[in-house]
Amino acid sequence: KAGVTQTPRYLIKTRGQQVTLSCSPISGHRSVSWYQQTPGQGLQFLFEYFSETQRNKGNFPGRFSGRQFSNSRSEMNVSTLELGDSALYLCASSVGQGAGSWEQYFGPGTRLTVT
Amino acid sequence: EDKVVQSPLSLVVHEGDTVTLNCSYEVTNFRSLLWYKQEKKAPTFLFMLTSSGIEKKSGRLSSILDKKELFSILNITATQTGDSAVYLCAVRSGGSNYKLTFGKGTLLTVNP
Repeated sequence: KAGVTQTPRYLIKTRGQQVTLSCSPISGHRSVSWYQQTPGQGLQFLFEYFSETQRNKGNFPGRFSGRQFSNSRSEMNVSTLELGDSALYLCASSVGQGAGSWEQYFGPGTRLTVT
Repeated sequence: EDKVVQSPLSLVVHEGDTVTLNCSYEVTNFRSLLWYKQEKKAPTFLFMLTSSGIEKKSGRLSSILDKKELFSILNITATQTGDSAVYLCAVRSGGSNYKLTFGKGTLLTVNP
């Protein structure tokens, strides 16, 4: 099975711009979770989508949003970028329900730099 | 506020040593505790623990959870240089709207 893929892998944006990141889960996985990883804060949970619905949300401002499509692919959007949004954004997919539903497989991440 | 604390923050050992990594937590409505290994890329899932006292084992790695004392340990026996990585602990808590809180990780370096 192909793994989780994320595009783009690297991105440089300017403050005030917006950005959209994409994640394609493992085939058959219906849950996609998004995380932000920074040296200072470590790995922080952004949100999780399951069957096109946001099922859970972390503690991030409304500038961070996402959606999931019927094929389980997910996008994450950050509007009005700030310097502090520079981070590695990881997505992880899982089956999403039933036994082993929390066994997550991470993608390679998108490295976002805001200047 | 939910909190997950890992210790030590970093550790340097020699090949063949046994190491124990610690994870303590304070969360509301605990659901499960997860361990991940992160090398220079995305984290890879190691274990999920939900019940106290039941050891999960995979090769040289094992983990156990103590829900009374609110901690978990990850043991690695006969360490190898390939075990060098950051080990992350995360706790899933809450009801239908669960949260996942990560610790800052333990950086393990295994020298030959």
